[in-house]
Amino acid sequence: AIRMTQSPSSFSASTGDRVTITCRASQDIGSYLAWYRQKPGKAPKLLIYAASTLQSGVPSRFSGSGSGTDFTLTISCLQSEDFATYYCQHHYSYPRTFGQGTKVEIK
Amino acid sequence: QVQLQESGPGLVKPSETLSLTCTVSGGAISSYYWSWIRQSPGKGLEWIGYIYPSENTKYNPSLKSRVTISVDTSKNQFSLKVKSVTAADTAVYYCARDPGGYIAVAGYFDHWGQGTLVTVSS
Repeated sequence: AIRMTQSPSSFSASTGDRVTITCRASQDIGSYLAWYRQKPGKAPKLLIYAASTLQSGVPSRFSGSGSGTDFTLTISCLQSEDFATYYCQHHYSYPRTFGQGTKVEIK
Repeated sequence: QVQLQESGPGLVKPSETLSLTCTVSGGAISSYYWSWIRQSPGKGLEWIGYIYPSENTKYNPSLKSRVTISVDTSKNQFSLKVKSVTAADTAVYYCARDPGGYIAVAGYFDHWGQGTLVTVSS
């Protein structure tokens, strides 16, 4: 199975900050990568798929980039609802696997 | 708007079979791929498998020998069974929709149920 590794595991930030989360795949997955945001007690919500395509209804402050093995999720101006945990997931092959998560906390 | 709702027992005894059902509303179940995903503190998010309502299924090799996913299109429901459960199967179980359709599976998940906690304990 392809291993997805996110960094950092957690960090603190303030409302209005620009933040970047990194995801690395253990092998080349092309652009087959999705990002999710999960708030406590809720299901993950799809933000981005195919590495850089914004899911319908997701604010434009979210953007994704990368291909091959290295990917980033950027939030251009952090809002209160963005303090949550973020997961990457490849959709290149089976089984689908997720990163371990990056928790964004309030500074 | 598509909505998914998991249902089933919250407590299962070790060695028994875990059974969950996902009811889909707001859209036809026959047009998409439907997955089960679980989340535990120890293993994070884990994709279990999917079904496409022509009875096409695919499972995670780590669980394949113990898992069955089935569908009842007349009720707009799909189900999960995990046999011979242990404490390691304790998790929040989610059902989710893959927006891919007849042409191809997409591989990511655009609609999720709220999740249901299943605890394996005697």
